Amino acid sequence: GAGVSQSPRYKVAKRGQDVALRCDPISGHVSLFWYQQALGQGPEFLTYFQNEAQLDKSGLPSDRFFAERPEGSVSTLKIQRTQQEDSAVYLCASSLAPTGYEQYFGPGTRLTVT
Amino acid sequence: TQLLEQSPQFLSIQEGENLTVYCNSSSVFSSLQWYRQEPGEGPVLLVTVVTGGEVKKLKRLTFQFGDARKDSSLHITAAQPGDTGLYLCAGPPTDKLIFGTGTRLQVFP
Repeated sequence: GAGVSQSPRYKVAKRGQDVALRCDPISGHVSLFWYQQALGQGPEFLTYFQNEAQLDKSGLPSDRFFAERPEGSVSTLKIQRTQQEDSAVYLCASSLAPTGYEQYFGPGTRLTVT
Repeated sequence: TQLLEQSPQFLSIQEGENLTVYCNSSSVFSSLQWYRQEPGEGPVLLVTVVTGGEVKKLKRLTFQFGDARKDSSLHITAAQPGDTGLYLCAGPPTDKLIFGTGTRLQVFP
């Protein structure tokens, strides 16, 4: 398909495990965003890439969270030593424009930490 | 910090009823967007409002941006079960999006 894809769609991790969440943006999209969405809430910004450069990581909740986009396309959000409060849906969005005027969202990865 | 508060938080109505969802902030936004999100999916953009006082219509949905660009509303006429979902306002679209608290709408047939 031509949309944003994310994998896995569901992830169950035991507390303390490391997880890696993948985002495949729409081909050619310059900007890529990660958001965290708690149950019943609106998404909250985590980090933003323009091509391979991470321009804003102000929303990452702790140093356990790390994101990369090494070739300016696929991005990975890594969470080390997962905690129960990390349980949420992680959404990826991409945008053609550098400043992300219209963002296209993927279906999200639902992470449950037990 | 810019915050967006939505009301009501939950709304359950019968098919055919009208409803309005509000999005309010103490800060001025250059523009605001409205999204709808269905279970298991990401938010989908419905509209972007840019000018204070602007009104945009999308079939049975009417969006308004406040004159002072601090608030917005979404009005749905004759709601249908297919309108069920989580409605989110967000802004500004030229940067990382700040999302509202969300309004969960359930329309019963």
